[in-house]
Amino acid sequence: DADVTQTPRNRITKTGKRIMLECSQTKGHDRMYWYRQDPGLGLRLIYYSFDVKDINKGEISDGYSVSRQAQAKFSLSLESAIPNQTALYFCATSAHGRNTEAFFGQGTRLTVV
Amino acid sequence: AQSVTQPDIHITVSEGASLELRCNYSYGATPYLFWYVQSPGQGLQLLLKYFSGDTLVQGIKGFEAEFKRSQSSFNLRKPSVHWSDAAEYFCAVGQGAQKLVFGQGTRLTINP
Repeated sequence: DADVTQTPRNRITKTGKRIMLECSQTKGHDRMYWYRQDPGLGLRLIYYSFDVKDINKGEISDGYSVSRQAQAKFSLSLESAIPNQTALYFCATSAHGRNTEAFFGQGTRLTVV
Repeated sequence: AQSVTQPDIHITVSEGASLELRCNYSYGATPYLFWYVQSPGQGLQLLLKYFSGDTLVQGIKGFEAEFKRSQSSFNLRKPSVHWSDAAEYFCAVGQGAQKLVFGQGTRLTINP
């Protein structure tokens, strides 16, 4: 089983709909992240959480919200989806400290029509 | 501002040939540098990382990278590529794993 699991893997939704992307991890890490990948732009940080009570905005948080339900769970919501939120979304986790690496899920491909 | 530039959007090499993927960064503090690979339909897998010490780092799958502070570069190399190396490669910089800044990615195609 994957250490970082994202659901769903693929989703098509309509403009204006609310949608939630879920992420769970079995690595026991405190820190979790949501990134968005667009062709030619690499990955950009949407939100991050260093523990259950800590939520921080990343580079491109507008139009998104997150919830850290437990140490192992971090969900990303689009309150009212728009077509330019069509992208590949990645959840990642890391341990506490600087000499650490991020572990990524397999991604959720979201299409907003 | 922190940034990472991967100058080559797409590179094609023949199987068995050597490979070098370029990465230049701009970072105010001591950088922690990473190379990730994304195979089609897959998530990102860490190839190697540099935190400190020896500036030539070895990674998985026969990859290595060299940190050159004077050139603000962290280029990825492999002496002989295999067809399975076809993927997209991302360079990233951060303070450890938190708040990583990624480059635009380089797509690698392997000719048989």
